[in-house]
Amino acid sequence: GQNIDQPTEMTATEGAIVQINCTYQTSGFNGLFWYQQHAGEAPTFLSYNVLDGLEEKGRFSSFLSRSKGYSYLLLKELQMKDSASYLCAVKGYSTLTFGKGTMLLVSP
Amino acid sequence: DTEVTQTPKHLVMGMTNKKSLKCEQHMGHRAMYWYKQKAKKPPELMFVYSYEKLSINESVPSRFSPECPNSSLLNLHLHALQPEDSALYLCASSQSQNPNTEAFFGQGTRLTVV
Repeated sequence: GQNIDQPTEMTATEGAIVQINCTYQTSGFNGLFWYQQHAGEAPTFLSYNVLDGLEEKGRFSSFLSRSKGYSYLLLKELQMKDSASYLCAVKGYSTLTFGKGTMLLVSP
Repeated sequence: DTEVTQTPKHLVMGMTNKKSLKCEQHMGHRAMYWYKQKAKKPPELMFVYSYEKLSINESVPSRFSPECPNSSLLNLHLHALQPEDSALYLCASSQSQNPNTEAFFGQGTRLTVV
């Protein structure tokens, strides 16, 4: 089975940097995804890591350490529109299991 | 076209009704998924279709019946639902069930059972 843990809520101010952590314990690991979900909308893909290290995509970066079962999503130059839920999801043998999500609130 | 289209966007149904949710993608993806998401909870996998065949059923009650008529379409037939089945139902697709393929999600159908 999969056990995925991430903080429930985080707050940050516009222009700041925030790091959202995710730890996981899985019976099979084939990659870790980060999705962003605004209230009432579908999740949208942000990043994918399967090897250890940092993947950078504009204002968003994601890091993975497979030996530690740990990932983080780094958001830079925060904007108000970044207020959303951020879901860590682990790909097992064939299916994607989501963590409970971290609700990020960006304030002016 | 990187869209997964779901209809209807909103649905209210009684416990004795029969209704269907529809999902369509034209990206040539061969894996399609149904997820259920309750408020402030993560999406939970219900069904996976791979090459139009049901490959995973996560012990979903029989009042939910999936159907994959062709590689672009995925339906979820609903019958005799309970109020606790009210949720956002998300359809997703990916190139295949291979690990490194990202899933694209539709906007979801907000279902209310009264």
